[in-house]
Amino acid sequence: KAGVTQTPRYLIKTRGQQVTLSCSPISGHRSVSWYQQTPGQGLQFLFEYFSETQRNKGNFPGRFSGRQFSNSRSEMNVSTLELGDSALYLCASSLVVAGGQPIFSFNEQFFGPGTRLTVL
Amino acid sequence: AQSVTQPDIHITVSEGASLELRCNYSYGATPYLFWYVQSPGQGLQLLLKYFSGDTLVQGIKGFEAEFKRSQSSFNLRKPSVHWSDAAEYFCAVRLEAGGTSYGKLTFGQGTILTVHP
Repeated sequence: KAGVTQTPRYLIKTRGQQVTLSCSPISGHRSVSWYQQTPGQGLQFLFEYFSETQRNKGNFPGRFSGRQFSNSRSEMNVSTLELGDSALYLCASSLVVAGGQPIFSFNEQFFGPGTRLTVL
Repeated sequence: AQSVTQPDIHITVSEGASLELRCNYSYGATPYLFWYVQSPGQGLQLLLKYFSGDTLVQGIKGFEAEFKRSQSSFNLRKPSVHWSDAAEYFCAVRLEAGGTSYGKLTFGQGTILTVHP
C-alpha cells in the first residue's frame, strides 16, 4: 500500500506570494492533519480534516488555510508569505472509519516526507 | 493544555551501548503516547505507541518504551544502539477519544541522537 505522498517536495517563494501544498493520504484513510516544523518552534499542529470538514485548528494566523476533497486528498494554502513561513510542512493521514463509523481510539498517524518551503 | 517535554536536546552514545530517551507529559488523564523518529530531510516514522494495557510496549527496530503513570513519563529505550539509529526522536501525545483533537498530536522538542563508532 502506498504511503502518504506530498507534492511538491521543495518550493521556493518570495515574500508576499501565496503557495498551495498537496497531500494524498494512504488509501482508505479519511483524516488528514498538517504540521509545520521549524528549528525554533519544532513541530506544531496546523489543522485537521475529516470527511471534508475541518475538525481542529492550531494557533496559526488566518493566512494558513486548508481543505479536503471527497477523495480525502488535502491541500493547504499559505497566502501573503512571510520569511517566518519557511519550514518543513508535514502531512499525516490516519484510518478513522470502520464499518462506516469513525473509530478514533486507536488512530495512529502516518506521515508523508514533507514539503520544504523556503521564503526569500 | 497538554504538553510534552523531552529534557535532552542532544544525546551521544557509542555503537553497541544502551540508550534511553526521556519523555514527560503534562495532561490530566492518560493520553495516547507515541514515539517517532525522523532522519534528516525525511518525514516522521512511528516507532511505537501506547494506548492502554501493558505499560511496556515494543516497537520497530528493537525499540521499547515504558509508560509510568506515577511519573507521567514514556521513556524510549534500546539495549544496543546501531549507527543507523542516528536521527532525531520525537515523543508525542494525543488526547483520548471523546475529545475534539482526534488528529492532533502535541510533540516534544525532539532529541537528536548521535552514534559514535
